[in-house]
Amino acid sequence: DIQMTQSPSSLSASVGDRVTITCQASQDISNFLNWYQQKPGKAPKLLIYDASSLETGVPSRFSGSGSGTDFTFTISSLQPEDVATYYCQQYDNLPVTFGQGTKLEIK
Amino acid sequence: QVQLVESGGGVVQPGRSLRLSCAASGFTFTRYGMHWVRQAPGKGLEWVAVISYDGSNKYYGDSVKGRFTISRDNSKNTLYLQMNSLRAEDTAVYYCAKSRKYSGYDPDAFDIWGQGTMVTVSS
Repeated sequence: DIQMTQSPSSLSASVGDRVTITCQASQDISNFLNWYQQKPGKAPKLLIYDASSLETGVPSRFSGSGSGTDFTFTISSLQPEDVATYYCQQYDNLPVTFGQGTKLEIK
Repeated sequence: QVQLVESGGGVVQPGRSLRLSCAASGFTFTRYGMHWVRQAPGKGLEWVAVISYDGSNKYYGDSVKGRFTISRDNSKNTLYLQMNSLRAEDTAVYYCAKSRKYSGYDPDAFDIWGQGTMVTVSS
């Protein structure tokens, strides 16, 4: 199975800050990488697919980049409603695997 | 609107069985592969199983293989997860999720999720 390692596991930032989360795959997954946002008590929501494509309706302050084994997720200007846990997910091979999550809080 | 609605969760004793359902609406159910993903309390996301658009192909995670069965009834736009020989470590919220683009049992992004149904395995 492909292991996905996210960092950091938690993060505290101020409104307006630029926030970056990284995800590393245990092997080359090309661009088969997605990012999800999960708010407490809610289902995950797809934000970014294919490493850098913004899902319809998702604000443009969210972005993704990378290929191969190293990927980055960025919020350009943190908003209060962005408090959530973020997960990366690879879909190069079955079983699909997720990173362990990054819990984002407002400072 | 496009939605998935799970049902069937509850409290069950170890070794017993439970069947989850996921009713789809607002999209052409028969065009897409469908998945189950679970989340233990306070933990991350774990993929469980996938089924192709016509039910002919299925794939399971190692932790549920041989105990869980994924199926679908396209006449009812409904996805199922039959869970047998349940263990305490199966305690989780179970989500059904739609493949973003693939009709087969290919791995994919999940663009539509249900609200989840809680399964608690406890004596």
